[in-house]
Amino acid sequence: KAGVTQTPRYLIKTRGQQVTLSCSPISGHRSVSWYQQTPGQGLQFLFEYFSETQRNKGNFPGRFSGRQFSNSRSEMNVSTLELGDSALYLCASSLIAGEDTQYFGPGTRLTVL
Amino acid sequence: QQQVKQSPQSLIVQKGGISIINCAYENTAFDYFPWYQQFPGKGPALLIAIRPDVSEKKEGRFTISFNKSAKQFSLHIMDSQPGDSATYFCAAIRAGATNKLIFGTGTLLAVQP
Repeated sequence: KAGVTQTPRYLIKTRGQQVTLSCSPISGHRSVSWYQQTPGQGLQFLFEYFSETQRNKGNFPGRFSGRQFSNSRSEMNVSTLELGDSALYLCASSLIAGEDTQYFGPGTRLTVL
Repeated sequence: QQQVKQSPQSLIVQKGGISIINCAYENTAFDYFPWYQQFPGKGPALLIAIRPDVSEKKEGRFTISFNKSAKQFSLHIMDSQPGDSATYFCAAIRAGATNKLIFGTGTLLAVQP
């Protein structure tokens, strides 16, 4: 069974631009969560989705948004990029919402110049 | 109350030695405590996890010790190998209520040959 896939793997943007990251969960998994990983702040929860509904949101500004499609694939969007948004963005999937075992993808490395 | 404190920040162990990483939490609502292993350029991978109704769980060379009254848990890597060199994260979650993992700050482990 294929793991969690994230595209693109690497991305370079400039300040003020917007970016969309994609996540395909493991086949059959219906829950997707997103995390931001930086050297300074570590791994921080962004949001989680189940059945196309956002169930929980972390403490991030409104520039960070996401959605989930009927096939469980998820996208996250960051608008008006700032230098501090440079990070590794990780997606994790699980069978259902509240499932304790989550599987992470390799991440998208976003660099904002 | 949402924090998970992890120590040490970095650890150097000789091959064959025991690596010990400690974590402490505050929120007694947490009921699932996973450990993740992350290699450079990869997403975190679930290593081993424990629920608070047991005091110890062992899988191969990896053991979690859990002290519910002290709200502490630790990862022990026996017979540490150079291939274990990675960053280790403890985490906590209210399984069933959310997929939001609260991560520790990570421990960079280097196992010297």
